[in-house]
Amino acid sequence: TQLLEQSPQFLSIQEGENLTVYCNSSSVFSSLQWYRQEPGEGPVLLVTVVTGGEVKKLKRLTFQFGDARKDSSLHITAAQPGDTGLYLCAGTYSGAGSYQLTFGKGTKLSVIP
Amino acid sequence: NAGVTQTPKFQVLKTGQSMTLQCAQDMNHEYMSWYRQDPGMGLRLIHYSVGAGITDQGEVPNGYNVSRSTTEDFPLRLLSAAPSQTSVYFCASVTLVAGRNEQFFGPGTRLTVL
Repeated sequence: TQLLEQSPQFLSIQEGENLTVYCNSSSVFSSLQWYRQEPGEGPVLLVTVVTGGEVKKLKRLTFQFGDARKDSSLHITAAQPGDTGLYLCAGTYSGAGSYQLTFGKGTKLSVIP
Repeated sequence: NAGVTQTPKFQVLKTGQSMTLQCAQDMNHEYMSWYRQDPGMGLRLIHYSVGAGITDQGEVPNGYNVSRSTTEDFPLRLLSAAPSQTSVYFCASVTLVAGRNEQFFGPGTRLTVL
């Protein structure tokens, strides 16, 4: 079973602060995704990265895929209360079937006004 | 275009009862999947289907059955509910674009087994 570790597990910050969450594995991903889940809802896809070293920006969110495609990070600039939620990374491992997606356990973010 | 719909939203069962969780998608995706989400455990794959008439087991299939008679519908059946099946269940419709496995989730069914 492939393991995908997310850190930190919980994060509570003040509005306006910056933060970074991490997603790590010992195996190589063929692609990696970040999802955000709000209470009582299903996860919503934020971004997919496929190329080592790739950086994608979505407004105040910056996603980076490691050069070796074993890790990824999500950086939020000037966090807002609306950023509160559970952030999940999920990866498809190289060599696994394209349909097999492994999820991390998530980082629960609280942004305090 | 409703995306992925799930019913019911909430359900309480007694141990030993059976029920079916409904899932439907209108995006014409071939691939669909069922996950359960438990505190501290993340999302775990129960069953998946790569097209009508084709299903396969995921990481935690025991106690669950699925079928896929149409592209749109992918119901999940609990044969004899157990307290260990208390969880939040998510159905997802999946698109593969240039090797990217992207999941579109429904709103979930919150199941309690007493």
